[in-house]
Amino acid sequence: EADIYQTPRYLVIGTGKKITLECSQTMGHDKMYWYQQDPGMELHLIHYSYGVNSTEKGDLSSESTVSRIRTEHFPLTLESARPSHTSQYLCASSERGSSYEQYFGPGTRLTVT
Amino acid sequence: AQKITQTQPGMFVQEKEAVTLDCTYDTSDQSYGLFWYKQPSSGEMIFLIYQGSYDEQNATEGRYSLNFQKARKSANLVISASQLGDSAMYFCAMREVFSGSARQLTFGSGTQLTVLP
Repeated sequence: EADIYQTPRYLVIGTGKKITLECSQTMGHDKMYWYQQDPGMELHLIHYSYGVNSTEKGDLSSESTVSRIRTEHFPLTLESARPSHTSQYLCASSERGSSYEQYFGPGTRLTVT
Repeated sequence: AQKITQTQPGMFVQEKEAVTLDCTYDTSDQSYGLFWYKQPSSGEMIFLIYQGSYDEQNATEGRYSLNFQKARKSANLVISASQLGDSAMYFCAMREVFSGSARQLTFGSGTQLTVLP
């Protein structure tokens, strides 16, 4: 079982609020990722990190930002939530190397009213 | 063009029977990896099986096997002896070693599998 955690699991918040979605892993993985997934749809990469102080945007444009100050922690922040941000957000991590699978957290289901 | 194509939005299978979920991919890389994930209704993504492009034998993990046909660029997932707990969304994904940005996974649109009692 993967040791990757996300909080909160569910969040309902009003438009304009600032939110931070937490993601932590205890496996010492260098690589971490954030995906956005609408119900029943494919996952889209929005942010990734190769290590501490390394962050890049993914293929899907997102108004969110991320930081990687510690290896185990990769939080995602929305400065001003909007209804269009309603989605599931999945955090993942992996070891270096192309053959290693990504371990996923349980996800955060965000609803912006 | 889609990098990963899953043409079956939904599939039904009788309990204890085998089922094949289709996946085709598009890449010009010689080196890549193919993954299958299961996503139950609870939302988490569970890794099932991996196939490297240079692996000569099809990958197997318990009841899961990957039917890898490199020339046809297909990587179908075979689930043997289906169980009710196999009902979930199944995603095929690819990581390209050289041309994929950040070497992240690219996912298909998924197949919703329902196992009937």
